[in-house]
Amino acid sequence: KAGVTQTPRYLIKTRGQQVTLSCSPISGHRSVSWYQQTPGQGLQFLFEYFSETQRNKGNFPGRFSGRQFSNSRSEMNVSTLELGDSALYLCASNNFPGADTQYFGPGTRLTVL
Amino acid sequence: AQSVTQLGSHVSVSEGALVLLRCNYSSSVPPYLFWYVQYPNQGLQLLLKYTTGATLVKGINGFEAEFKKSETSFHLTKPSAHMSDAAEYFCAVSTNSGNTPLVFGKGTRLSVIA
Repeated sequence: KAGVTQTPRYLIKTRGQQVTLSCSPISGHRSVSWYQQTPGQGLQFLFEYFSETQRNKGNFPGRFSGRQFSNSRSEMNVSTLELGDSALYLCASNNFPGADTQYFGPGTRLTVL
Repeated sequence: AQSVTQLGSHVSVSEGALVLLRCNYSSSVPPYLFWYVQYPNQGLQLLLKYTTGATLVKGINGFEAEFKKSETSFHLTKPSAHMSDAAEYFCAVSTNSGNTPLVFGKGTRLSVIA
């Protein structure tokens, strides 16, 4: 099976712009979670989607949003980018919420200038 | 709420020496515990996990970890370090409720000296 794929792998934006990141889960996986990784804060949970519904949301401002499509692919969007949004954004998938293992993609490296 | 503490942001060992990376967790319900490894410019790869059953779990690349409930610990060990083990290691906790995301420690960077 192919692993979790994320596009694009690298992205450079300027402050105030918006960005959309994409994640395709492992075939058959219906649950997708997003995490932000920064040197200062480490790995922090953003949100989780299952069957096109957001099940959980982390402690991030409303500028961060996401959605899931009927084929389980997910996108996350960040509006009005700030310098502090520079991070590695990781997507993880599993069979269903509460499944004991999440499988991570390679991440999208976002740089905000 | 759950939390994870990894002691030592950077650990350095000689090639062939024992690797010991420490992880302590806090959870009000029975935890699921994980160790992930991250190589530069890559995502996270699962090394091993504890859910239920045997408290000593073996993972890939010769790593193992032991769940000690009384000490709320899940330390990662490998008898003999290899140069290829140099990476960042993350301990994480979740639960079997289906409603809790992974909570990660801050990570430990492992350096292996020839």
